[in-house]
Amino acid sequence: GAGVSQSPSNKVTEKGKDVELRCDPISGHTALYWYRQSLGQGLEFLIYFQGNSAPDKSGLPSDRFSAERTGGSVSTLTIQRTQQEDSAVYLCASSRQIRNTGELFFGEGSRLTVL
Amino acid sequence: AQRVTQPEKLLSVFKGAPVELKCNYSYSGSPELFWYVQYSRQRLQLLLRHISRESIKGFTADLNKGETSFHLKKPFAQEEDSAMYYCALRNNNNDMRFGAGTRLTVKP
Repeated sequence: GAGVSQSPSNKVTEKGKDVELRCDPISGHTALYWYRQSLGQGLEFLIYFQGNSAPDKSGLPSDRFSAERTGGSVSTLTIQRTQQEDSAVYLCASSRQIRNTGELFFGEGSRLTVL
Repeated sequence: AQRVTQPEKLLSVFKGAPVELKCNYSYSGSPELFWYVQYSRQRLQLLLRHISRESIKGFTADLNKGETSFHLKKPFAQEEDSAMYYCALRNNNNDMRFGAGTRLTVKP
């Protein structure tokens, strides 16, 4: 595709359920980022994948959050036993490694609502 | 560790007035600073980067290493500038961290 694709665009779930959010980065982009966007918290870093290197997980808020990236492309962010405070828009972004100008290309986000 | 601070969550100005969105950072290495913007119902996108020293849509930002600041400025704000603005810092590992954002409203 032409841009970063995220699914689902909207997800409503009950407290305690698990959710999976998917990100398809731009083809050829080796760097992939997950952020959480919420009112009052701005754009909060979650996790960063760079090629075959170990991901930077330092932003994951708790052990209920995990993410993986298969084959260096698609990434899945999993939230287990969701809580109401997990409600937010989850943004994925990708960027090039070679000749990287620092521009991140963002998806439209997945809006998660935990009831 | 890197840190980006945007002290103003909300900023409101009248059309034609100057606007300045503040950004301060802390980072022990050589920083690369960026401004990203999100217009209503659009994706977050790059506005400008400090290394380019460019003016985009009338906006400029100068990296001040002494004050560790990268404030975004525009001499005459327009209504279409109303948006959410994020300052960002990239470290040597290509890791990008954002500030909390400032919502700019330009009133007619």
